[in-house]
Amino acid sequence: DVVMTQSPLSLPVTLGQPASISCRSSQSLVYSDGNTYLNWFQQRPGQSPRRLIYKVSKRDSGVPDRFSGTGSGTDFTLKISRVEAEDVGVYYCMESIHWPTFGQGTKVEIK
Amino acid sequence: EVQLVESGGGLVQPGESLRLSCAASGFMFSSFWMSWVRQAPGKGPEWVANIKEDGSEEYYVDSVKGRFTIFRDNANNLLYLQMNSLRVDDTAMYYCARDPNTVPYYWGQGTLVTVAS
Repeated sequence: DVVMTQSPLSLPVTLGQPASISCRSSQSLVYSDGNTYLNWFQQRPGQSPRRLIYKVSKRDSGVPDRFSGTGSGTDFTLKISRVEAEDVGVYYCMESIHWPTFGQGTKVEIK
Repeated sequence: EVQLVESGGGLVQPGESLRLSCAASGFMFSSFWMSWVRQAPGKGPEWVANIKEDGSEEYYVDSVKGRFTIFRDNANNLLYLQMNSLRVDDTAMYYCARDPNTVPYYWGQGTLVTVAS
């Protein structure tokens, strides 16, 4: 089974400052079609998860451009260029090439 | 507007059954794999079951195999999860979701299942 490992698990950030979350998979997420199926989700307090990023770096519709995804193979990063108050919540990476599997989650809070 | 609306959750005792429903609208339901995903209190999401567009293939997480059944009614745009022999550790919010590799991606608001004696 694929294991998704995120770090850090808690991320206190200052408003307006950048933030970065790492995700590592135990197996390659590159599919035979050449795509890499790594997603990032945001879950604000009391809300359902919402996908932000798919295929490593593609933003879903309506996602602010301060969110960006990078990486390849087994190592991936979600970056927030300037954290805003509405970004508070838990962020999950999720692989969708095998059985969809989430990371443990990273809690982003404002210092 | 795309909507996925779950229903059927509630409080049940261990060993009992529940059937969850998801009403889909705003997209061609019969053209997409569909899934159930759950999230236990304070935990991350967990994929529970997937079903192919025509219902001919189903897949389950090991912890629910033999107890849960996913099925669909494409004529009425409905997705179901039949949950039997419920256990305390099945307590979670259950979400209906579309194939995670589709764009755009849709996920419902969830229905809460609580298993307790």
